[in-house]
Amino acid sequence: KAGVTQTPRYLIKTRGQQVTLSCSPISGHRSVSWYQQTPGQGLQFLFEYFSETQRNKGNFPGRFSGRQFSNSRSEMNVSTLELGDSALYLCASSSGQGVTYEQYFGPGTRLTVT
Amino acid sequence: AQSVTQLDSQVPVFEEAPVELRCNYSSSVSVYLFWYVQYPNQGLQLLLKYLSGSTLVKGINGFEAEFNKSQTSFHLRKPSVHISDTAEYFCAVSDPGNNRKLIWGLGTSLAVNP
Repeated sequence: KAGVTQTPRYLIKTRGQQVTLSCSPISGHRSVSWYQQTPGQGLQFLFEYFSETQRNKGNFPGRFSGRQFSNSRSEMNVSTLELGDSALYLCASSSGQGVTYEQYFGPGTRLTVT
Repeated sequence: AQSVTQLDSQVPVFEEAPVELRCNYSSSVSVYLFWYVQYPNQGLQLLLKYLSGSTLVKGINGFEAEFNKSQTSFHLRKPSVHISDTAEYFCAVSDPGNNRKLIWGLGTSLAVNP
């Protein structure tokens, strides 16, 4: 069974631009969560989608948004990029809702904002 | 609010020596506890989890952890480490008010030297 895939793996953007990251979950998984990972803050939860609906949201500004399609693939968008948005963005999928279901992580998208 | 503290940011150890990576959390309310490992340039992988039952939890790759409710700790141990265990290890705890969300520690970098 293929794992979680994220595209692109690396991205360089300029401050003020916007970016869209993509995540394809494991086949059959309907829950997708997004995390931001930085050395100083560690992993911080962005949001979770299940069956195309956002079920949970972390404490990030409205510049961060996401969506999930009917095939469970998910995209995350960051508008008006800031230098502080430079991070590794991780996507995780699971077969159900809630933390008791094992989350399977993708390799991440490394975003650098200059 | 729940917080997670990984007491050591870096742990150097020689191959075949035992290791303990420490994790403490703040809330004594019933929680779920997890350890994840992140190898270089890879996503996170679940090592083990505590949901209920026996306080000694065994995971993959010979790791185990002990849940101590009175000390609000969930330390990870391995009796004999290998070079291949070199990685970043993350402790995560469920948010008591929201079982769809994990609160993460900042990670412990385990360096196994020959």
